[in-house]
Amino acid sequence: EAQVTQNPRYLITVTGKKLTVTCSQNMNHEYMSWYRQDPGLGLRQIYYSMNVEVTDKGDVPEGYKVSRKEKRNFPLILESPSPNQTSLYFCASSPAGSYEQYFGPGTRLTVT
Amino acid sequence: AQSVAQPEDQVNVAEGNPLTVKCTYSVSGNPYLFWYVQYPNRGLQFLLKYITGDNLVKGSYGFEAEFNKSQTSFHLKKPSALVSDSALYFCAVRERINNRLAFGKGNQVVVIP
Repeated sequence: EAQVTQNPRYLITVTGKKLTVTCSQNMNHEYMSWYRQDPGLGLRQIYYSMNVEVTDKGDVPEGYKVSRKEKRNFPLILESPSPNQTSLYFCASSPAGSYEQYFGPGTRLTVT
Repeated sequence: AQSVAQPEDQVNVAEGNPLTVKCTYSVSGNPYLFWYVQYPNRGLQFLLKYITGDNLVKGSYGFEAEFNKSQTSFHLKKPSALVSDSALYFCAVRERINNRLAFGKGNQVVVIP
């Protein structure tokens, strides 16, 4: 089944403890992206990647890192999480030349 | 930078009545426009897109949207709403000169039986 998977789905952590949220797609898509969803703010793009080893900042990149060493994987790294990074995070992918994105199920992160 | 406005927080409509969800956008140049739907505890699902061509775009589940360049709008419509259409709807815009996607804050649609 063609899909985007994220792990973990739920995570509660403490301020300053490094964490990684994994994202993987099995559709051979070139484009991958991370978003955070907050009430009243909609989705905001954190980082995106046009292909392997090509990443760029979205609208809210501060406090996050990404890497794209393999085409299928696009992990989101929080080096020192803070409470304002408590949010619902979505990973998405799309093939080159297409514009609609396929979204993962989301990761709900709470930083205390 | 591109941006999207979805002016209504919630849209209530009776089952069987027409449904409209409003979206206006701001971009440099010609836009790529999208609508996505989010059901509770789920990721977003693609509904439809405008890239070029006909201003009226048809998508999944009987939805359609009309691109209006002069009004910079891309309103989502459905002729006859179903209770199962109750969900959160997002409009999104992408500028042709970059690869960043901007979403609106979303509209909660409630279809009343």
